[in-house]
Amino acid sequence: EIVLTQSPATLSLSPGERATLSCRASQTVTSYVAWYQQKAGQPPRLLIFDASTRATGIPARFSGSGSGTDFTLTINSLEPDDSAIYYCQWRPKFGQGTRLEIK
Amino acid sequence: EAQLVESGGDLVQPGGSLRLSCAASGFSFSSHWMNWVRQAPGKGLEWVGQIKEDGSEKWYADSVKGRFTISRDNTKNVLILQMTSLRVEDTAVYYCARDFKWVQSDYWGQGTLVTVSS
Repeated sequence: EIVLTQSPATLSLSPGERATLSCRASQTVTSYVAWYQQKAGQPPRLLIFDASTRATGIPARFSGSGSGTDFTLTINSLEPDDSAIYYCQWRPKFGQGTRLEIK
Repeated sequence: EAQLVESGGDLVQPGGSLRLSCAASGFSFSSHWMNWVRQAPGKGLEWVGQIKEDGSEKWYADSVKGRFTISRDNTKNVLILQMTSLRVEDTAVYYCARDFKWVQSDYWGQGTLVTVSS
């Protein structure tokens, strides 16, 4: 069974900085990896699909990369509104999430 | 634009049953696989299951297999999750989501809360 492990669990950064979120699969997976942003009380919002393609309307500050077992979500020029939990997904598997705090 | 609206969430006793609905609009419902994803209070996302465009294939998470059934009515643009033998650990917000490629989901409903408690 494939397990997705996200790190770090929590990330605290300042506005304008860059966030690097990791998602590691327990074995090699195809690149059908998605990243979602979820704010409190809201459903998840698709940011990235197929590991590196931005979804419609997602700013270029968000980028995805990776292949095999290691995938990364990078958020440049952080804004306070980026505070949320970020999940990676590969087919039916979700990572446990990374909480990003912008202070 | 695509819109998904869940309904049917409620408080139910352990061992009970519940039927959730997801009304779809703004897109060709019959052209998409559809997913159910749940989120227990304060926890992460858990995929529940999915159904093919024409309903001919269904896949379920091991945690719900044999207890939950997904169906759809493409004439009414409605997705259904029939839940039986409910357990306390099934307590969660249930989301329906449009699958556009290998379970990756681009549109999500707002969710409906199911609470299983005596």
